[in-house]
Amino acid sequence: GAGVSQSPRYKVAKRGQDVALRCDPISGHVSLFWYQQALGQGPEFLTYFQNEAQLDKSGLPSDRFFAERPEGSVSTLKIQRTQQEDSAVYLCASSDRLAGNEQFFGPGTRLTVL
Amino acid sequence: DQQVKQNSPSLSVQEGRISILNCDYTNSMFDYFLWYKKYPAEGPTFLISISSIKDKNEDGRFTVFLNKSAKHLSLHIVPSQPGDSAVYFCAASGPSGTYKYIFGTGTRLKVLA
Repeated sequence: GAGVSQSPRYKVAKRGQDVALRCDPISGHVSLFWYQQALGQGPEFLTYFQNEAQLDKSGLPSDRFFAERPEGSVSTLKIQRTQQEDSAVYLCASSDRLAGNEQFFGPGTRLTVL
Repeated sequence: DQQVKQNSPSLSVQEGRISILNCDYTNSMFDYFLWYKKYPAEGPTFLISISSIKDKNEDGRFTVFLNKSAKHLSLHIVPSQPGDSAVYFCAASGPSGTYKYIFGTGTRLKVLA
């Protein structure tokens, strides 16, 4: 079956621009996660949704970062007024379990802020 | 403050031999550990996991060992195959939420044919 998909795969933004990154989880998966992976680092947790409810946003680095999942399926990560330090790969993962074990990752969106 | 550490950024192993990837953690409250494999331009793929109530979990060529007293886990791949060449991430979760994975920085494994 189809895995987690993300779009766009690559995004170049000028500093100060707003960007929106999309995640399509595996159909029926209740849990959805966003991670940020900087160059040479492991993924870092950003936020967690259970269906449409955002249960944990403790990893969002600033109030410029906003995530939503209004119908409990597709999710969007929005970054306002992008800065160079936002350059990273943004990974989305989903899980069919409420606890989120065995998360299935998408290919990521590589964001470059110039 | 890196709670999950993979101190070897890279490892080269001959095809057919054993690959051993290591991971150390600092938080004794972690109770679930995972290994993910990542190929270039793809997302991480779940490989194997272990709960803190066990000290070993095996799945085919992959075995994960957990030493709680040393706060150390390792992934053994036997025999290693060229298709195993990838970056391997260790991850842990625990009291902050079982879903909140803390990842190491990864080890790049190269299996030489």
